Amino acid sequence: QSVLTQPPSMSGAPGQRVTISCTGSSSNIGAGYDVHWYQQLPGTAPKLLMYDNSNRPSGVPDRFSGSKSGTSASLAITGLQAEDEADYYCQSYDSSLTVKIFGGGTMLTVL
Amino acid sequence: EVQLLESGGGLVQPGGSLRLSCAASRFTLSRQAMSWARKAPGKGLEWVSSVSGSGGNTYYADSVKGRFTISRDDSKNTVYLQMNSLRAEDTAIYYCAKDLSPSGRDGMDVWGQGTTVTVSS
Repeated sequence: QSVLTQPPSMSGAPGQRVTISCTGSSSNIGAGYDVHWYQQLPGTAPKLLMYDNSNRPSGVPDRFSGSKSGTSASLAITGLQAEDEADYYCQSYDSSLTVKIFGGGTMLTVL
Repeated sequence: EVQLLESGGGLVQPGGSLRLSCAASRFTLSRQAMSWARKAPGKGLEWVSSVSGSGGNTYYADSVKGRFTISRDDSKNTVYLQMNSLRAEDTAIYYCAKDLSPSGRDGMDVWGQGTTVTVSS
């Protein structure tokens, strides 16, 4: 059971918008620690998709956006494409546990 | 392009040891915090350990505390993960990653391709 809670799976049709949530608590996201998002395509290493809540690394399409409010964060993907089918993980830091924490991951299926 | 290359994975019996290495290419590890994460079969990503940019602070997941040790040799541009008293539940692909900041508490922007550790008799 992860400290950060994500929906285990989501799906959407090509062209649609999906939003993946990441819910934490007052000792991590709510304490002001940044949230980062990773995309892991099947059989590959994780890739940083969003850092510091809403910043895209170079090369990440602007179809991806991130936000954070209170004890939660979210990753939005607009104009869904087949290549977006992957596992998505949020990650932050927890001051009570004094460790980095990952969400349980969301498997995104493009219908 | 900056790269991280892990090595040292393999098949080991329960109770055994392995040392993973992570060599940086085209950038210097000095003053960079570095982390290890793993993905077990059928499970999500799990952070394992981090070392701060100075090397003065190390952090471990409860699941590996007391059994794993992270270290760095900046002269060799390499980070290590010494894994002792291995258990079946340590079976996973282990990834090395560079942190966004020297603190050891941040996100990770460069990842290696992973090395597979299998703990089985």
